[in-house]
Order: sequence, then structure tokens, then C-alpha cells
Amino acid sequence: GAVVSQHPSWVICKSGTSVKIECRSLDFQATTMFWYRQFPKQSLMLMATSNEGSKATYEQGVEKDKFLINHASLTLSTLTVTSAHPEDSSFYICSARDLNEQYFGPGTRLTVT
Amino acid sequence: AQTVTQSQPEMSVQEAETVTLSCTYDTSENNYYLFWYKQPPSRQMILVIRQEAYKQQNATENRFSVNFQKAAKSFSLKISDSQLGDTAMYFCAFMKHEIGTDKLIFGTGTRLQVFP
Repeated sequence: GAVVSQHPSWVICKSGTSVKIECRSLDFQATTMFWYRQFPKQSLMLMATSNEGSKATYEQGVEKDKFLINHASLTLSTLTVTSAHPEDSSFYICSARDLNEQYFGPGTRLTVT
Repeated sequence: AQTVTQSQPEMSVQEAETVTLSCTYDTSENNYYLFWYKQPPSRQMILVIRQEAYKQQNATENRFSVNFQKAAKSFSLKISDSQLGDTAMYFCAFMKHEIGTDKLIFGTGTRLQVFP
């Protein structure tokens, strides 16, 4: 089946710095990728839809200037958390669409100290 | 707007027994997909089963089957012969069958514990 990778799997950063998370579709091309955030013991919350070659579509309440999304190629989308704060600590998951299914990456645990 | 409801926060079942997880949804759409995803402790989301709304036949994948009741907007998951490896969070999800609006809408999840 389709494989999606994320890098890094775990990152610690200091408050005020920025961190970039990569999402790659390894064996298929994905014109659309999605970024989710998941708090402990909660469901996945869609943050934004990333479309190759165009601007991302953000869900209501998600700060586009804080969570920068770039989908520069058909196999790579990146999420940059800018000026990170402790409240941004969370588990971030990406998915990539192939036909009528979404395939999920393994997630990235972000801890902001 | 579409919503997905999972009314069972936690369930438990003994190994080799059968368990059913409930899911209801609300939509005015006629064409859509429904999914069950599993999230084990590793937190990797794994697709368990999918159902196209236009298909009347219930989807089956080995020990996993669904009971899809379109009129009642119900989509339950039955796990037969439960195994310890089935211990995980299970999320029900809805997706419209329309290009450009393929967002997944997740329920709140059911934590399933399989015990020996």
C-alpha cells in the first residue's frame, strides 16, 4: 500500500524558535496533503489542506502565519511552526491523498520548552 | 456540516470474543465514504475498512466487518475473534464523494482494550 513518511519523528525546540516538519509520499504522487494536530487522548483535528503549487487552505481558528505550509512538489509538503510556544507542543500528523483514500504518516511529536 | 459521533469512549473485550463499536453520522449528502481507522500505541493511523455509501453490501476485511445502515446514518464496526493486537483507539471517519472536498471528518474515538 501507499507509504507516507514524516521527519522528524520527535523534536524538541526552545520557545521562540521555528521548527519544520516534512511529509513525503514515498511511492505515489499526492496533489493534496493534509495536516492534523492531535492532543493526548483526543481525536485528530484538521489544521489545513495543502495543495501542490497553490496556497494551503486553513481551517477556522488555525493561524496561517504561525503554521506555514508549503507543498512545493507532488511528494513533499512541509509544516513550519513559527515562533513556537509551549502551547504548540502536540502530535502533528500528515496524510496524503491517493485516489479516494488518505494515507497517514507516523506523526511528529513536538515539544516546545 | 457533517458530524461524526462515537458514543463509546472506552470498550473492552476478552481475547477471541466479538466486539462492536458504534458510529453515527449526520449529513445531507448522498454520495460519501465512511472509514474506520485504528491508532495503536505507536500512534500510526491505520485504515481498517472503508465503505462507499452507494454500495448496499457491507464491507468486510478478514475479522473486521461493518453494519452500514444508510437511512439510520449508522456505521458500526464488528471485530470478530479479537486479538491482543487489536488494542487501540478506533476512529470513525466521513468523507464527501466530491473532488476538492475530500476532508476527513473524525469522530472522537473509542479506546478498545483486548484482555487475555
